[in-house]
Amino acid sequence: DAGVIQSPRHEVTEMGQEVTLRCKPISGHDYLFWYRQTMMRGLELLIYFNNNVPIDDSGMPEDRFSAKMPNASFSTLKIQPSEPRDSAVYFCASSLGTTSGKLFFGSGTQLSVL
Amino acid sequence: GQNIDQPTEMTATEGAIVQINCTYQTSGFNGLFWYQQHAGEAPTFLSYNVLDGLEEKGRFSSFLSRSKGYSYLLLKELQMKDSASYLCAVRAYSGNTPLVFGKGTRLSVIA
Repeated sequence: DAGVIQSPRHEVTEMGQEVTLRCKPISGHDYLFWYRQTMMRGLELLIYFNNNVPIDDSGMPEDRFSAKMPNASFSTLKIQPSEPRDSAVYFCASSLGTTSGKLFFGSGTQLSVL
Repeated sequence: GQNIDQPTEMTATEGAIVQINCTYQTSGFNGLFWYQQHAGEAPTFLSYNVLDGLEEKGRFSSFLSRSKGYSYLLLKELQMKDSASYLCAVRAYSGNTPLVFGKGTRLSVIA
């Protein structure tokens, strides 16, 4: 398996623009997580899905953030409008419900909002 | 609430042994995990403890004391490639609930 695939790898945008991050989980995994990583706050959970259904989005910072999982092989995280404080590395991870906490992370998207 | 503490940085010498500590206060407990993250890369799973005691896996071992809210990761025979951040993470509830991560300990291995 190719692992968790994220795109783009890097994104530079201007404040106010819409940003869409994409993720393809490992085939057969039933959980998908979006995390954000910064030096100050470390790795923070934004939202997670089980069988394509959002379970907990309490980590989404505000209404500017939204996430969807239209099918088992694709998820998006959208920020609209983007702000400089959204600059971070965004990781998508997937796991199999039966394996205890072993997350498989994608390579991440380095987002810079100018 | 959840709180996970680990040292920000550590330095150790090639061939030596290093212990990275992690303390946690969480509303529940259902497992402690260690992940390794090289600079610019994604975290990768290292180990998992749910019962007290030591779990050994090659050069890496992880210890857990649930009563003390304490874990450590022990790295033996350090190699330069072990220079990375080590993230402690706790799962507070049963089932495949999300992990809460500490901020990580950046380990530098020097010659």
